[in-house]
Amino acid sequence: DVQLVESGGGLVQPGRSLRLSCAASGFTFDDYAMHWVRQAPGKGLEWVSGINWNSGNIDYADSVKGRFTISRDNAKNSLYLQMNSLRAEDTALYYCGKDKTAGGHGVDYWGQGTLVIVSS
Amino acid sequence: IHLTQSPSSLSASVGDRVTITCRASQGISSYLAWYQQKPGQAPKLLIYGASTLQSGVPSRFSGSGSGTDFTLSISSLQPEDFATYYCQRLNSYPFTFGQGTKLEI
Repeated sequence: DVQLVESGGGLVQPGRSLRLSCAASGFTFDDYAMHWVRQAPGKGLEWVSGINWNSGNIDYADSVKGRFTISRDNAKNSLYLQMNSLRAEDTALYYCGKDKTAGGHGVDYWGQGTLVIVSS
Repeated sequence: IHLTQSPSSLSASVGDRVTITCRASQGISSYLAWYQQKPGQAPKLLIYGASTLQSGVPSRFSGSGSGTDFTLSISSLQPEDFATYYCQRLNSYPFTFGQGTKLEI
């Protein structure tokens, strides 16, 4: 079975950094694009970042561009999100998601999310 | 490219047919997905490629459209269908979501 398990969330002060991880299992990790999607409390879904299988195609939402960095380690079946210069508006549940294909067909598997709270 | 869903909320009854619309500010061909999210749960992929039903999703769900106008229809609402629905563009990054449509009893 496909499993995605996020970790690394927590309470952090504004301006500080946090690194999220997503451990993947149950599928051939390096066959698929991967994504981070977040959801602020009581709000809708926001796509944060995506990365293709070999890290050759990466992009970010404008709201995080220049502050967040997505990466993957195919040897470790892991996805990461380095979040710098965190702001209160980055407070959200962060989901790791597997693309249905190499890219562009939707997220067919989701983790349960890791909560990031940015507050002093 | 922005996605605008309508309505933002919708009240319906079990057995009703409902339609949710997603409009893109520019053409995105058929690169659109629909998701269902229930409180406290991760989203679930329902439709991809605008009209292809994801495996395991009941056939009462259907999607249509291309270019800028898309619809998600549920032919006969079941109690478990009351949830929030999102569209997502997938033609190119960023893979923006619509603002969501809350379907209530």
